[in-house]
Amino acid sequence: GENVEQHPSTLSVQEGDSAVIKCTYSDSASNYFPWYKQELGKRPQLIIDIRSNVGEKKDQRIAVTLNKTAKHFSLHITETQPEDSAVYFCAASYTGNQFYFGTGTSLTVIP
Amino acid sequence: DAGVIQSPRHEVTEMGQEVTLRCKPISGHNSLFWYRQTMMRGLELLIYFNNNVPIDDSGMPEDRFSAKMPNASFSTLKIQPSEPRDSAVYFCATVPKLNTEAFFGQGTRLTVV
Repeated sequence: GENVEQHPSTLSVQEGDSAVIKCTYSDSASNYFPWYKQELGKRPQLIIDIRSNVGEKKDQRIAVTLNKTAKHFSLHITETQPEDSAVYFCAASYTGNQFYFGTGTSLTVIP
Repeated sequence: DAGVIQSPRHEVTEMGQEVTLRCKPISGHNSLFWYRQTMMRGLELLIYFNNNVPIDDSGMPEDRFSAKMPNASFSTLKIQPSEPRDSAVYFCATVPKLNTEAFFGQGTRLTVV
């Protein structure tokens, strides 16, 4: 199966700074890469996704980049706010219906 | 639609007891996943069903774990006998079609004492 690695495991940034979370995957057949945000005690929820025919996608303060050759993708959050504090998970999917998640990044935005 | 519904939300049981976790997927979603979440290992895929058929159960930790999906609207994850190391949050997630968002249930927090 797919192997997804995520770094860093914890990240602290000052409010207003940018945060970057990186993931690598092993199966070159993977073609869908979603990112999920999980607030404390809640379920993971999709915040942005990218497909393999796209190199970058942006939605307001969040963006995702994909490098298929290197098999890595990243989440970028700009102008971070305290409500961005959460655990973020990347995932890779190669059949479209199987999701393999990274181990998560705990982001803390310091006011 | 109420989303993916899991029950119970919390379960505390004694070591050696049987535990059954339940999931009701969103109507029309043809794929269902069971995940286990712990601090150490993050989100682990346990088993995946497509059209009620188990496709990949390689993530099931051992024979004490079993999962069924008797119809499109119900799935169970059973642990028998349960052990303290099974303590975790178990999530059920469903997907409507290829390469689309996975919708998670609220999770079941299992504590085995």
